[in-house]
Amino acid sequence: EVQLVESGGGLVKPGGSLRLSCAASGFTFSDAWMSWVRQAPGKGLEWVGHIKSKINGGTTDYDAPVRGRFTISRDDSKNTLYLHMNHLKIEDTAVYYCTTRWWELPYWGQGTLVTVSS
Amino acid sequence: DIVMTQSPLSLTVTPGEPASISCRSSQSLLHSNGYNYLDWYLQKPGQSPQLLIYMGSTRASGVPDRFTGSGSGTDFSLKISRVEAEDVGVYYCMQALYTPIITFGPGTKVDIK
Repeated sequence: EVQLVESGGGLVKPGGSLRLSCAASGFTFSDAWMSWVRQAPGKGLEWVGHIKSKINGGTTDYDAPVRGRFTISRDDSKNTLYLHMNHLKIEDTAVYYCTTRWWELPYWGQGTLVTVSS
Repeated sequence: DIVMTQSPLSLTVTPGEPASISCRSSQSLLHSNGYNYLDWYLQKPGQSPQLLIYMGSTRASGVPDRFTGSGSGTDFSLKISRVEAEDVGVYYCMQALYTPIITFGPGTKVDIK
């Protein structure tokens, strides 16, 4: 069974940093392209960024609001995806989900809440 | 950039009555393999999104058969044959053809009368 479990959320001050993790199981993580999606309170779903599998170059891409501040990485030996968030802004407050598509079926984690507030 | 639109944005339905939500993409979601890369999600209050339909029309495991996804190319719909109280929440469509960039519709809020 495919499982994605996010962790690392919490309260952080504007300008601060945080690292989210997503522990994956039930599929060949090293072959999967992984994404982060977020949802601000009372708002819709927003793609944050992705990372391709290493065999496909391991490249990353980000949505404009987070480009240059957020970095996605992966540790295939630990089956774990990361989201490194720097220079956090109040508008980054959201629930962050990791997601993937495996054999055409999408999978999501339950999310982790990041609150940016002074 | 792919733009996803949904209509209506809000819907109030009487239990037992049908409901329909439309989703349109600014570009075709039909892959050369013949599949449409369009998913539907329901986000119940206080919960994370749950998958209802993927690849345009395939019901996810455990999803009641009152939910039906249809459409192709740029026009899709989600139909609920008989709405139940547990169906309240926000419904999102999502394009996955232009993966790894994924795009969501704005959501349709469904309430029960």
